[in-house]
Amino acid sequence: NAGVMQNPRHLVRRRGQEARLRCSPMKGHSHVYWYRQLPEEGLKFMVYLQKENIIDESGMPKERFSAEFPKEGPSILRIQQVVRGDSAAYFCASSPPAANTEAFFGQGTRLTVV
Amino acid sequence: DQQVKQNSPSLSVQEGRISILNCDYTNSMFDYFLWYKKYPAEGPTFLISISSIKDKNEDGRFTVFLNKSAKHLSLHIVPSQPGDSAVYFCAATYLGNEKLTFGTGTRLTIIP
Repeated sequence: NAGVMQNPRHLVRRRGQEARLRCSPMKGHSHVYWYRQLPEEGLKFMVYLQKENIIDESGMPKERFSAEFPKEGPSILRIQQVVRGDSAAYFCASSPPAANTEAFFGQGTRLTVV
Repeated sequence: DQQVKQNSPSLSVQEGRISILNCDYTNSMFDYFLWYKKYPAEGPTFLISISSIKDKNEDGRFTVFLNKSAKHLSLHIVPSQPGDSAVYFCAATYLGNEKLTFGTGTRLTIIP
């Protein structure tokens, strides 16, 4: 059973470009979460999705950021018109459809905006 | 508003001794707490959890203690080993919330 798969591991974008981060949850997991870790900080919740539904996006910046988890395929975190402040490690986690259970994290995508 | 706080950014412990990592929270709704371990350039790895109906949970060398009245939990690692050197994150959630709220982490260094 493969773990949570994120790709790419590293992504370099110029200011103004779009960044697309992908996450395939563990088999059997229907809940996907995206977290961001800025340098020297903890992980900050961004968005929680189930298949075809955004359940909680309270941590997402209002502009330029969007997320989806389609019926087929991976979850995508999209950042449009990236700025230097978007440089961070973005982690995806997944969990089964049960309350109060641990989430399993992918290895993250390190986004660098130059 | 930092609802989960880890006030010690770093901790150094001699190999073989006990490591104690602390975590405080402010949100009374939290009823499930987790510890994650993170190596550089890797994702967090789940370590141990505790429900608010318990005050202690043990798994091998790792024990988590929960003091609900003080809104405080701690992770004990004994005996500490060099491979335990990592950043440890405390996280909390509650039924119906699903998302995890993380502390800022404590960097543990085990000295051989």
